Amino acid sequence: AQSVTQPDIHITVSEGASLELRCNYSYGATPYLFWYVQSPGQGLQLLLKYFSGDTLVQGIKGFEAEFKRSQSSFNLRKPSVHWSDAAEYFCAVGSPNDYKLSFGAGTTVTVRA
Amino acid sequence: EAGVTQFPSHSVIEKGQTVTLRCDPISGHDNLYWYRRVMGKEIKFLLHFVKESKQDESGMPNNRFLAERTGGTYSTLKVQPAELEDSGVYFCASSQVSNTIYFGEGSWLTVV
Repeated sequence: AQSVTQPDIHITVSEGASLELRCNYSYGATPYLFWYVQSPGQGLQLLLKYFSGDTLVQGIKGFEAEFKRSQSSFNLRKPSVHWSDAAEYFCAVGSPNDYKLSFGAGTTVTVRA
Repeated sequence: EAGVTQFPSHSVIEKGQTVTLRCDPISGHDNLYWYRRVMGKEIKFLLHFVKESKQDESGMPNNRFLAERTGGTYSTLKVQPAELEDSGVYFCASSQVSNTIYFGEGSWLTVV
């Protein structure tokens, strides 16, 4: 069975500082990996995805994530955080053979001025 | 292009009542999914339609939940009778291929 762990429940970061959100997954083969963001009062928006190929993927809003097979990780990064990045972030894993996504518990990001 | 739309956005009902949530997927998307997040828990898969057929309903919690997708277009999720533990956010999502799933804004259900 596939599963996702987001070790950090809540992160506070200063505006303009860098941000890294951790995600570890458990899956027997090469997974499909996703990061979604939910801003207050909004739905889930897809930030980026990894299926194969280049292990560093670029997403929307200046986010990027790196797939590290040896560490079973797919951490999300942003070099300089904006106040609008305050939201809850979800890592998810899927597979080529199964349409179900398994989500992590989410990490809430607070941005301070 | 319109995204996945859900209605109602918020609903407050009493225990024992019935609520029906509706989802309109992105036009042309054969795959439609329901997920939910109850308070303090993870987002969990409920079921998956391919067109009008239920492909996988392994995540449906019990027989109080009934999902339909008439004609392979919009879908409804009915909870009858609602219990307190059903409170949470119900997300609908759709995709054309499995690797890119788009979610709606969610229907926030509160059972009192």
